[in-house]
Amino acid sequence: QKEVEQNSGPLSVPEGAIASLNCTYSDRGSQSFFWYRQYSGKSPELIMFIYSNGDKEDGRFTAQLNKASQYVSLLIRDSQPSDSATYLCAVGARYNFNKFYFGSGTKLNVKP
Amino acid sequence: NAGVTQTPKFQVLKTGQSMTLQCAQDMNHNSMYWYRQDPGMGLRLIYYSASEGTTDKGEVPNGYNVSRLNKREFSLRLESAAPSQTSVYFCASTSGRNEQFFGPGTRLTVL
Repeated sequence: QKEVEQNSGPLSVPEGAIASLNCTYSDRGSQSFFWYRQYSGKSPELIMFIYSNGDKEDGRFTAQLNKASQYVSLLIRDSQPSDSATYLCAVGARYNFNKFYFGSGTKLNVKP
Repeated sequence: NAGVTQTPKFQVLKTGQSMTLQCAQDMNHNSMYWYRQDPGMGLRLIYYSASEGTTDKGEVPNGYNVSRLNKREFSLRLESAAPSQTSVYFCASTSGRNEQFFGPGTRLTVL
């Protein structure tokens, strides 16, 4: 079983719609959760991090965490073609604050 | 601030050759990492260094060695390259808030 699971996609949404990206993780004791965006041929860049249950909003992005269900999601409101990228979910290891597990990523296509 | 830099950007090796990938960060971060990224596999941790003078294995350490030369620099060495090591290699460092900053990557092909 992988530590972090994501649907590889592609997820296609029209411009202006809400894109919903999902991630599940296997270690119930994980405490830190991250979303990275990676454009084709580029390196990942951090979009959001969340540590507590509930929602965290930053501009058009909202991260949602449900520790009981071991589920993290990223909502992108008013999706733009420039949001087209692969989104990587990462989870911090329970007993090692220096270690992170990445999902394989979900490719998002926003169509004009 | 250059952030995280990596050299080289591209490399082609023949099976059995050796090489060292270089990484440096100027953000005064303690922790540094080497990942490889293969299609459909996401990022897999090869080695990491929690602080200067320490290194630890990640998920896929076989065939690699690392050196944390000082706080800024963390190198990855392939002693005898194999085609299975064809990949994109990313170096990263982590801030005190656990935010990872990635270098531009090294695209390695082993023939």
